[in-house]
Amino acid sequence: AQSVTQPDIHITVSEGASLELRCNYSYGATPYLFWYVQSPGQGLQLLLKYFSGDTLVQGIKGFEAEFKRSQSSFNLRKPSVHWSDAAEYFCAVGPFTGGGNKLTFGTGTQLKVEL
Amino acid sequence: DVKVTQSSRYLVKRTGEKVFLECVQDMDHENMFWYRQDPGLGLRLIYFSYDVKMKEKGDIPEGYSVSREKKERFSLILESASTNQTSMYLCASSILGQNTEAFFGQGTRLTVV
Repeated sequence: AQSVTQPDIHITVSEGASLELRCNYSYGATPYLFWYVQSPGQGLQLLLKYFSGDTLVQGIKGFEAEFKRSQSSFNLRKPSVHWSDAAEYFCAVGPFTGGGNKLTFGTGTQLKVEL
Repeated sequence: DVKVTQSSRYLVKRTGEKVFLECVQDMDHENMFWYRQDPGLGLRLIYFSYDVKMKEKGDIPEGYSVSREKKERFSLILESASTNQTSMYLCASSILGQNTEAFFGQGTRLTVV
């Protein structure tokens, strides 16, 4: 069975600083990988996704993630954080089954941005 | 814009009640999902459906059932609500296919007293 680990429950960064959120996955085959963001009181929004091809993936809001098969990681990065990036971030992995991706989510990383 | 609408933002129900959580999507998506979100546990898949009248168990289906009579609507049913089902419930939908984005509703915060 697949699993996702997000080792950092909370992260605090200063506005303008760089950000890296860690994600490690366990999955037997080539994974489908996703990063979602959840702002307070909102549903989840997709930031980016990876299935194959270039291991550096660009997403919305200036985020990017790098797939490293040897490390089973899919870390999310942003070169300069804005105060509006404060939210909870979820990494997810999912096989393709029954017509859709059955996602397994990590426990999330809560990002706080200091002004 | 894709819209996934959950009928209630907040619900308070009594132990033992039968509870219906409704979800409607307006983009003709084949796949629909119900997740439960708890602090420290992330999102856990309860059930999903990839076609009308089709359903498949997720990771935590116990105590829940689902209904999908129409393509746009996916209902989560708590047959006899219990306090340990107090949680945030999120509905999502996606088109048929690999590596497709799931669109989420805003969630229903259910409290069982």
